Amino acid sequence: AQKVTQAQTEISVVEKEDVTLDCVYETRDTTYYLFWYKQPPSGELVFLIRRNSFDEQNEISGRYSWNFQKSTSSFNFTITASQVVDSAVYFCALRGGLKAGANNLFFGTGTRLTVIP
Amino acid sequence: ETGVTQTPRHLVMGMTNKKSLKCEQHLGHNAMYWYKQSAKKPLELMFVYSLEERVENNSVPSRFSPECPNSSHLFLHLHTLQPEDSALYLCASSQEWGLITDTQYFGPGTRLTVL
Repeated sequence: AQKVTQAQTEISVVEKEDVTLDCVYETRDTTYYLFWYKQPPSGELVFLIRRNSFDEQNEISGRYSWNFQKSTSSFNFTITASQVVDSAVYFCALRGGLKAGANNLFFGTGTRLTVIP
Repeated sequence: ETGVTQTPRHLVMGMTNKKSLKCEQHLGHNAMYWYKQSAKKPLELMFVYSLEERVENNSVPSRFSPECPNSSHLFLHLHTLQPEDSALYLCASSQEWGLITDTQYFGPGTRLTVL
């Protein structure tokens, strides 16, 4: 079964602080994809990143970085020097590999990040 | 034109009303999705359409009826809803359902309140 756990329900940080959002997943697939989405107050889920299970190299995009650790089944997301515009709900999601229904995304319950000016 | 649009953005309806939610994608994608987002719960996949054919129906009550007249448009027809159906309904599209590298792109959602 596919499962995504985001244990942090809400996080508050002061502007310019770094913050890490945790994501732990469960899957029996050997090939799978992991995603992060951002949901600002406007409601739209904004795609941030997609990683496949064979690529454990960490990725950095501006102030965003992702740490994929297959050994611990984690795909954590760090925002460096947080800004008020980063305030949103962040979702981690998992998609399994090559079988029927493999395009279905399994979402965590999300982490609400509030950046205080 | 933004990628995935949804109308209306907000909808309040009584339990005996009939209404429809509309989704339109301008990305040239072949697959479209309806999700339900309730407070404190993970997003729930409701329906998937690939090339205008329904490929997933995740035990959704019949009071929700999807329609996909073409690959750019998706509707969710609502009738005789219950208060617990109040939620944010999100539409998404992707290049090709089942493609291993596929990524879903979401619209802004319709906030539905059932009185």
